[in-house]
Amino acid sequence: DGGITQSPKYLFRKEGQNVTLSCEQNLNHDAMYWYRQDPGQGLRLIYYSQIVNDFQKGDIAEGYSVSREKKESFPLTVTSAQKNPTAFYLCASSIAVSGIYEQYFGPGTRLTVT
Amino acid sequence: AQSVTQLDSQVPVFEEAPVELRCNYSSSVSVYLFWYVQYPNQGLQLLLKYLSGSTLVKGINGFEAEFNKSQTSFHLRKPSVHISDTAEYFCAVSDGGSNYKLTFGKGTLLTVNP
Repeated sequence: DGGITQSPKYLFRKEGQNVTLSCEQNLNHDAMYWYRQDPGQGLRLIYYSQIVNDFQKGDIAEGYSVSREKKESFPLTVTSAQKNPTAFYLCASSIAVSGIYEQYFGPGTRLTVT
Repeated sequence: AQSVTQLDSQVPVFEEAPVELRCNYSSSVSVYLFWYVQYPNQGLQLLLKYLSGSTLVKGINGFEAEFNKSQTSFHLRKPSVHISDTAEYFCAVSDGGSNYKLTFGKGTLLTVNP
């Protein structure tokens, strides 16, 4: 089945540790995205990548880093510099069809930092 | 810059009643509009989208939405809801020029009561 995989579903870390969230897609999509979701805040864009080896900051990139070494993979690292890392993280991917991008989402990873 | 306003953070309704979830957007360019649904602890699933053409668009699960350019609105409707429609609903907009990015509203929690 084609889709987007995020692992693990739940992740617990101690404050001060870096943690990497996995996102893999087998849809052959060019673009990939990371969003952060907090209650009542909707989705906020952290980073996005339109092509391998290239990525851009979104609206809330501080304290996060990404890499895009392969088309299928777009891991997100939550660094110790992120002041409030506990949240639900969603990965998405998209491809242009007739010039229009439609985003597909993974199941999400819930990160809890204590 | 684009923005999306979902006018109601919570909408409680009884089963088999009609429902309307309101969405207004602001953009200085032509837009594409989307509604997504999120069930608890899951990713987002596309309900429907407006790209061009007919202003009334039909989606999955019996939902439909109407694009109103003069009122910059894209309200979501369903004539008769089921318990299983209980979820959070997000309206999103992308601009026609660089449509690989989405701007999301803060979401509306629809609760269907028996």
